[in-house]
Amino acid sequence: GAVVSQHPSWVICKSGTSVKIECRSLDFQATTMFWYRQFPKQSLMLMATSNEGSKATYEQGVEKDKFLINHASLTLSTLTVTSAHPEDSSFYICSAGDRDFYGYTFGSGTRLTVV
Amino acid sequence: DAKTTQPNSMESNEEEPVHLPCNHSTISGTDYIHWYRQLPSQGPEYVIHGLTSNVNNRMASLAIAEDRKSSTLILHRATLRDAAVYYCILLNSGGSNYKLTFGKGTLLTVNP
Repeated sequence: GAVVSQHPSWVICKSGTSVKIECRSLDFQATTMFWYRQFPKQSLMLMATSNEGSKATYEQGVEKDKFLINHASLTLSTLTVTSAHPEDSSFYICSAGDRDFYGYTFGSGTRLTVV
Repeated sequence: DAKTTQPNSMESNEEEPVHLPCNHSTISGTDYIHWYRQLPSQGPEYVIHGLTSNVNNRMASLAIAEDRKSSTLILHRATLRDAAVYYCILLNSGGSNYKLTFGKGTLLTVNP
């Protein structure tokens, strides 16, 4: 079945630094990828949608300059949290869909802790 | 966007069937009904989806009402590994409703 690999699975960074999270579709071409974040005891919140070769579409209230998304190929999307602050600490999850659209496959998530 | 309504939580005993309901009264004719689940500290995983007819796979069954305004995810024999939050989501890949937007879902507790 479709597999999405997300790295790193956890990261601790200092306040003010940037962190890059990778999301790869291993056995299919992902025309669309989504990025979510999830705070403890809450549901997933959609941050942005990225389509290969075009700019990401951000949901209302998500700062596009803070959360940089790049979907440079059909198998890779990256999320960079710039100038991270403790309030950015969260569980970040990506998902990907292919052209046949059977359903979306999710990465295992990245737990970001900003200290 | 078409929305879904699910109970906040449900409880089941191991080895027994579980019926997880979902209401989607504003569903459009081209919306697919998708179910995903999220185990603790993991990304969600696809469970099943359907359009009009009931569907079965190795994980579960999906029963869709004739008017499509509700559906039920059926786990035939719950195990402790089925304890998770289950999300019912409407998707339309060819239209504007292609984003996988999560509500609060149903927290399923499975008792040994």
